[in-house]
Amino acid sequence: EVQLVESGGNLVQPGGSLRLSCAASGFTFSSYSMNWVRQAPGRGLEWVSYIGGTSSTIYYADSVRGRFTISRDNAKNSLYLQMNGLRAEDTAVYYCARSSGGSWWVSDFWGQGTLVTVSS
Amino acid sequence: QSALTQPASVSGSPGQSITISCTGTSSDVGGYNFVSWFQQHPGKAPKLMIYDVSNRPSGVSNRFSGSKSGNTASLTISGLQAEDEADYYCSSYSSSNTHVVFGGGTKLTVL
Repeated sequence: EVQLVESGGNLVQPGGSLRLSCAASGFTFSSYSMNWVRQAPGRGLEWVSYIGGTSSTIYYADSVRGRFTISRDNAKNSLYLQMNGLRAEDTAVYYCARSSGGSWWVSDFWGQGTLVTVSS
Repeated sequence: QSALTQPASVSGSPGQSITISCTGTSSDVGGYNFVSWFQQHPGKAPKLMIYDVSNRPSGVSNRFSGSKSGNTASLTISGLQAEDEADYYCSSYSSSNTHVVFGGGTKLTVL
């Protein structure tokens, strides 16, 4: 069974940093691309970042480029999102999602999310 | 403001069919057959229902179907059931710097 478990969400002050983690199990992690998608309270979904299976291809949304860094450790079956320069508008539930094998733009399995709150 | 436009809400009675639209541009919905649809119940993670316009993942009921015409994609749910009440989001690959775009979501109410 595919499982994705996010952690690391917390309350942080504007300008602060936070590192999110996603532990994957139930599939060959290194064979799949991964995404981070966020959802602000009461709002819709927003794609944040993508990383290929070997980390050779990485994409970011304009709203986070230059502040967030996606990475992965295939030996640990883990995905990460380093978030710096956090702003109030970054407040959201952050989901880790697996990309479908043949279509990286499709997230076929999602974790339950971790809440990031940016506030003073 | 979301890149893709969806109606804020739709409703239907049990057994009826409803359709949710998702309008984009030639840079996303209209340019590629890479539209996905997700179902999200309150407090839960999104669930993939349709990918690449009209394909259903294993385990998804055949009451859910997808289509596309020009810059508008559609999700149709037939034989509405109470458990279908949820938020629905469309998504598409985009040739813009934001490689994946979402709609603002549609709240489906089963009357």
